[in-house]
Amino acid sequence: AQKITQTQPGMFVQEKEAVTLDCTYDTSDQSYGLFWYKQPSSGEMIFLIYQGSYDEQNATEGRYSLNFQKARKSANLVISASQLGDSAMYFCAMREPTTDSWGKLQFGAGTQVVVTP
Amino acid sequence: SQTIHQWPATLVQPVGSPLSLECTVEGTSNPNLYWYRQAAGRGLQLLFYSVGIGQISSEVPQNLSASRPQDRQFILSSKKLLLSDSGFYLCAWRAGRRADSPLHFGNGTRLTVT
Repeated sequence: AQKITQTQPGMFVQEKEAVTLDCTYDTSDQSYGLFWYKQPSSGEMIFLIYQGSYDEQNATEGRYSLNFQKARKSANLVISASQLGDSAMYFCAMREPTTDSWGKLQFGAGTQVVVTP
Repeated sequence: SQTIHQWPATLVQPVGSPLSLECTVEGTSNPNLYWYRQAAGRGLQLLFYSVGIGQISSEVPQNLSASRPQDRQFILSSKKLLLSDSGFYLCAWRAGRRADSPLHFGNGTRLTVT
């Protein structure tokens, strides 16, 4: 069964605007972690931000922030002040449970973001 | 600092030919290692992971196999490639065992089976 759902296959955003990328997840564990990655056209996967299920505050990392709504099982990524270099595929991923020493990540299908001048 | 090397960057192979993709990590010891595959325009599918030398777990049974002959070396192999094996293969390693430790990925190998 799909554990991570990213419903937006593609989005256009204007430079300097903010964009929100949706991610919902399914788990029965109380302890889990959520990750966001960026994949430019070159293919490498770049880690952006992490949110733990027990974290009381929403994670922030520079222009990236996470809108974590545990009851709704959503972990949306917000990119503020978009730049042309933000054009890429963005993936939401989950690690469950956090005590899993294997550390496997399950990924969503991704959202393609295109930033326009 | 830690780095991950993955090669080759691109590969075109005929159906039925063997495959060997190699991944090495530098600057760390006893990492968890992972092989993911990404079909065109899709998310990443975990193929294999390893927590130590000779310890391989498979997520998706298929004609691919993985081996870890050394602590920081992870190899993805096939004896006979299928058309469906085409895709973008990514090797990754995990920094530590903390819950918030992300996976760090190599630059990937784009495999086309013809």
